Amino acid sequence: RKEVEQDPGPFNVPEGATVAFNCTYSNSASQSFFWYRQDCRKEPKLLMSVYSSGNEDGRFTAQLNRASQYISLLIRDSKLSDSATYLCAVNPTGGFKTIFGAGTRLFVKA
Amino acid sequence: NAGVTQTPKFQVLKTGQSMTLQCAQDMNHNSMYWYRQDPGMGLRLIYYSASEGTTDKGEVPNGYNVSRLNKREFSLRLESAAPSQTSVYFCASSEGAGSTYGYTFGSGTRLTVV
Repeated sequence: RKEVEQDPGPFNVPEGATVAFNCTYSNSASQSFFWYRQDCRKEPKLLMSVYSSGNEDGRFTAQLNRASQYISLLIRDSKLSDSATYLCAVNPTGGFKTIFGAGTRLFVKA
Repeated sequence: NAGVTQTPKFQVLKTGQSMTLQCAQDMNHNSMYWYRQDPGMGLRLIYYSASEGTTDKGEVPNGYNVSRLNKREFSLRLESAAPSQTSVYFCASSEGAGSTYGYTFGSGTRLTVV
């Protein structure tokens, strides 16, 4: 089993839709969690950290479910510009070895 | 702010050739990283430098060496390139351990080994 797993998608949604992605992790002791956005042929960019209490940034909401060992990203009112690959990242030990998922591709269509 | 700058952006090598990928950050970050990204496999850590003067192996260090030249610069060297090293290489930096701060990535180097 991979340490961090994501559904590769693609998720095809119309503008204005709400879409959610999950990311599962295998190490129950994992301490830190992040979502990154990566546009085609570009570098990943930090979207948001995921806190135990959940956090929201505009149309984006991230949540952590420690019992089931997954994090989620919810995008409300999808925009064409949200089309990208979303990478989850998990730091199992609190040190320097963050593990990335392979990403979930999202296409938002007019 | 330039953030994290990588050079070159593209490179084609023949099997057995050597090259160094350069990375520099201007954010006064302590920690720097080299990742490779292959289709379907996500980003995999090659080497990291927790702070100036230290380097450590990541998940896939074989065939690579690194140098933390100073606080700003962290280079990755391929001594004898192999086709399996064809990939996109990203340098990243963070203020401290990535567990707390997340990473800032450079724009990447697309390397093809033929």
